[in-house]
Amino acid sequence: GEDVEQSLFLSVREGDSSVINCTYTDSSSTYLYWYKQEPGAGLQLLTYIFSNMDMKQDQRLTVLLNKKDKHLSLRIADTQTGDSAIYFCAERHNAGNMLTFGGGTRLMVKP
Amino acid sequence: NAGVMQNPRHLVRRRGQEARLRCSPMKGHSHVYWYRQLPEEGLKFMVYLQKENIIDESGMPKERFSAEFPKEGPSILRIQQVVRGDSAAYFCASSPTTGYTGELFFGEGSRLTVL
Repeated sequence: GEDVEQSLFLSVREGDSSVINCTYTDSSSTYLYWYKQEPGAGLQLLTYIFSNMDMKQDQRLTVLLNKKDKHLSLRIADTQTGDSAIYFCAERHNAGNMLTFGGGTRLMVKP
Repeated sequence: NAGVMQNPRHLVRRRGQEARLRCSPMKGHSHVYWYRQLPEEGLKFMVYLQKENIIDESGMPKERFSAEFPKEGPSILRIQQVVRGDSAAYFCASSPTTGYTGELFFGEGSRLTVL
């Protein structure tokens, strides 16, 4: 079956790096995504990675993909208070257009 | 280029009433998806539609819930005889047909409260 798991909560100090982890079960996933949700708002795409890549860097964001272990991580360098939000990982399967989301990781950044 | 537009943003209904949530996809997008987010939970897929067709409704409850995406006008998610457990944020997303990397573009959500 399809399942995406994330830890519920992460707290870091401003200026530190944050690492948010995600595991998935579907080996046919083609793309994997990270979305950010601020309070009362919709989901904003942060970045994505194609399944044949193992790393992608985009400014302060680094995505690592370990396809063998079905593990995805998002590293945010120099975390700021404005990064406080819920972060969702999601996978897209080869067979369809829908995305399956994890439960979200709530990131709290302390000044 | 407007994003995905959802309305109403907030809706309050009493048990037994009907809720209608509307979604206009981004310009040029022909695929619409509805997701539900229960309080303090992640997003659960409900239904995927193209114009005049339901492609996948595997996440829709079998009773009281229906969705449509007519040839003209927005997509509608309809919940009949609402119950307290229907209280949630309902998100609509859209995507183009081809030539993209598979991401979904989300609206701001419609928050339903059932009293």
